Amino acid sequence: AQKVTQAQTEISVVEKEDVTLDCVYETRDTTYYLFWYKQPPSGELVFLIRRNSFDEQNEISGRYSWNFQKSTSSFNFTITASQVVDSAVYFCALSENPDSWGKFQFGAGTQVVVTP
Amino acid sequence: DAMVIQNPRYQVTQFGKPVTLSCSQTLNHNVMYWYQQKSSQAPKLLFHYYDKDFNNEADTPDNFQSRRPNTSFCFLDIRSPGLGDAAMYLCATSRRTGAQETQYFGPGTRLLVL
Repeated sequence: AQKVTQAQTEISVVEKEDVTLDCVYETRDTTYYLFWYKQPPSGELVFLIRRNSFDEQNEISGRYSWNFQKSTSSFNFTITASQVVDSAVYFCALSENPDSWGKFQFGAGTQVVVTP
Repeated sequence: DAMVIQNPRYQVTQFGKPVTLSCSQTLNHNVMYWYQQKSSQAPKLLFHYYDKDFNNEADTPDNFQSRRPNTSFCFLDIRSPGLGDAAMYLCATSRRTGAQETQYFGPGTRLLVL
């Protein structure tokens, strides 16, 4: 069963528009971690954020912001005033059961295309 | 500044010819991972090392092997590459301290099988 769902396959925006990427997860654990990674065309997965299940505070980092809502099992990511350099595939990932080694469950990824 | 280094960045091999991909890290992390990523798909975990302990995923083909001679280095050996093994191979590291720690990825090696 898919534990992390990124329903949006591709989002295309014009520069300076905001874009929100959806991530819905499924877990029975009370302790878990959520991550967002960016994969530009070069291929490297770049870590963006990590959030644990006990910390529902939303976070803003520059043009990036994250909205974590346990009630809806969602961890959405917004890029404000998008730029061409934001064009990449973005992956949401879930890690459960931190008492063991916590394997990552990746979503399918969302391709973001920002055009000038 | 490079933290997780993968060599080579591009590798071309022939069908059935063994190939080795390498990964090194300067983070002194105790866990190293190998992922396979095919076009338009999420990374798929092949195996990981926790210190010297090797952990294979159940669905990783026997054709894929790994070695970790020391903390800094980890190798992926593909004994007899098939056309279906053409992919991006990503190495990642993390420090396991009881809580789930972030995985840091290298730039990847793109493997082409002719």
